[in-house]
Amino acid sequence: SQQGEEDPQALSIQEGENATMNCSYKTSINNLQWYRQNSGRGLVHLILIRSNEREKHSGRLRVTLDTSKKSSSLLITASRAADTASYFCATRGQAGTALIFGKGTTLSVSS
Amino acid sequence: NAGVTQTPKFQVLKTGQSMTLQCAQDMNHNSMYWYRQDPGMGLRLIYYSASEGTTDKGEVPNGYNVSRLNKREFSLRLESAAPSQTSVYFCASSEAATWRETQYFGPGTRLLVL
Repeated sequence: SQQGEEDPQALSIQEGENATMNCSYKTSINNLQWYRQNSGRGLVHLILIRSNEREKHSGRLRVTLDTSKKSSSLLITASRAADTASYFCATRGQAGTALIFGKGTTLSVSS
Repeated sequence: NAGVTQTPKFQVLKTGQSMTLQCAQDMNHNSMYWYRQDPGMGLRLIYYSASEGTTDKGEVPNGYNVSRLNKREFSLRLESAAPSQTSVYFCASSEAATWRETQYFGPGTRLLVL
């Protein structure tokens, strides 16, 4: 069962533009994470935002969390071709140990 | 540090054959996980081990078995492979089974079952 669902499924932009991906989840969470997966590779952790945080920055990444709407967004500013990848949100509930991943947003950045 | 390593990288099996996917981590993590990734499905948890000596089923455990050999190693076994098990398998580890956990992934094993 999917906890997080990303939107859109696919996104194509030009270099220099901003890319925004959204994640909606179903149950209460204590944190939400975003991961990136380059083609043919494993996932790499990008950023974790806790349930008591509303916004977090890491370099060109900005993540927001709205627990009242059960949603999060990942903004990549000034996109580069190297940002081409699939992006996944992952959450876990109040109990348990497993992360549950969404199906991902595939981002394509063309030069 | 190598992080999380997986062997083999690629494997082709015939239906009914068995195989074991190996995973090792050198980060002294307590928790380890096996996922499968299918096109359009995201990652689905097969089994996980919250700590050495424990294993638990995830979302899609049928047809698989696991062994937490020691703190470093967590193997996934397919006793009788089926075409539906054609997938990319990822192993991951995390420091602890708490809300702080960030998971670190291996490069994946691509399995084709004919």
